Amino acid sequence: DTGVSQDPRHKITKRGQNVTFRCDPISEHNRLYWYRQTLGQGPEFLTYFQNEAQLEKSRLLSDRFSAERPKGSFSTLEIQRTEQGDSAMYLCASSLASGGNSPLHFGNGTRLTVT
Amino acid sequence: AQSVAQPEDQVNVAEGNPLTVKCTYSVSGNPYLFWYVQYPNRGLQFLLKYITGDNLVKGSYGFEAEFNKSQTSFHLKKPSALVSDSALYFCAVRDGGGSNYKLTFGKGTLLTVNP
Repeated sequence: DTGVSQDPRHKITKRGQNVTFRCDPISEHNRLYWYRQTLGQGPEFLTYFQNEAQLEKSRLLSDRFSAERPKGSFSTLEIQRTEQGDSAMYLCASSLASGGNSPLHFGNGTRLTVT
Repeated sequence: AQSVAQPEDQVNVAEGNPLTVKCTYSVSGNPYLFWYVQYPNRGLQFLLKYITGDNLVKGSYGFEAEFNKSQTSFHLKKPSALVSDSALYFCAVRDGGGSNYKLTFGKGTLLTVNP
C-alpha cells in the first residue's frame, strides 16, 4: 500500500491561468474523490468517481472546474481561468467500493496559491 | 441532506488527562460516522468508524468514539492524552441508506495537549 499520491504538492499561479493537478489512488481502490479545504474549514466535497464514471459533482463547483479519470486509475482536476478565491488545499482520496462503509484514504494534497 | 457539527473550534487538555472532542450529525437514514486527524500540511488520516453494532468503537492511537443515536452524537475520546495528539480533528458522516458515497465533514476541532 503506497498510499494516495498527489502532484504537485504546491502550485503558485497568476490569476487567469489554467492549472491541472494529478491524483494517483491506492491501486485496488475504485472510488476516487476530490475535496477542497480552506483555512479553518473542513474538507468540502467537489466530485467523485467510481472507476471512470463521474457519479456526482458538487453544485458549488463552477464550470471552470473539470475532473477526469479516463482509465479508472489516476485522476486529474483542472481549474481554468483561476481566481484568487480558488486558493486552497485540494485533497484527493480513494476508497474501496464496498457499500459505503470503507473509509476514505487521503493524499497530502496540492496547495494552490493564486496571485 | 447530511451534515456534521463540531461545536468546539478548540479543545485544550493537559497531558495525561482524558480528552473529548464533540460531534453531532444529521442524516435522513442510518449514519455512517468517521473520525479523521490532520497534521499540518498533510492530508487526513483515518482514525475510526461506526457503521453498526457496538456503540463504542475503538480506533488507532488509543482513540475511541461513542455513538449515541438519541443524541445524534459521535464524540471522540481518549483516556489519557499525549502531547503528540495535538492536531486538527474532523468528524464526517454519510447517509448509509443512500446511494451517494460522499462524506460530509465538520469544520474541525483543534486539539492542543499541553505538557
